[in-house]
Amino acid sequence: AQSVSQHNHHVILSEAASLELGCNYSYGGTVNLFWYVQYPGQHLQLLLKYFSGDPLVKGIKGFEAEFIKSKFSFNLRKPSVQWSDTAEYFCAVTPQTGTYKYIFGTGTRLKVLA
Amino acid sequence: GAVVSQHPSRVICKSGTSVKIECRSLDFQATTMFWYRQFPKQSLMLMATSNEGSKATYEQGVEKDKFLINHASLTLSTLTVTSAHPEDSSFYICSVKATGELFFGEGSRLTVL
Repeated sequence: AQSVSQHNHHVILSEAASLELGCNYSYGGTVNLFWYVQYPGQHLQLLLKYFSGDPLVKGIKGFEAEFIKSKFSFNLRKPSVQWSDTAEYFCAVTPQTGTYKYIFGTGTRLKVLA
Repeated sequence: GAVVSQHPSRVICKSGTSVKIECRSLDFQATTMFWYRQFPKQSLMLMATSNEGSKATYEQGVEKDKFLINHASLTLSTLTVTSAHPEDSSFYICSVKATGELFFGEGSRLTVL
């Protein structure tokens, strides 16, 4: 069965620290990959996505993610976090063909200390 | 992109009553909308795919008679939780697929007393 694993459930960092959130998926075919962010009191919004091409994708607000096909991973990174990055981050996967059914990870709650 | 709005954002009801949640696609004609449920500290679980003008497609384990979905127009889908019970208390989120990605509503928190 398809699944998405986010290993870090809670992360606490100081401002300017570097961030890496892990995401691994289980699926036998070709997938599209996403990172969504949910700021406190707001709805989910897209940070970045990977469909094909360069496995290093850049998103909004200085975030980037690297797709490593051999490891079934799509880790999210940011070189220097800010207090405003405090939010919950969700990794999601959907097959490239057929259904648009998205499978979400359990989320990682990031708290950045000022 | 697409702007998605849900109403109400919060609702409290008594056990046994029915609650309707609306999901509107404000600037995009959505033939398909998705309803998710999010439990505390857990992931979003797809409940059903709402199809304009036809029956919704429910995920395994989701009771279609319990969670009624109507998608009467290209901009509106509704989720009705019938005969709600405390275990139905949750955060319900709708989304619209546009340009290859999902756009989400703000979510509706249902509390059943």
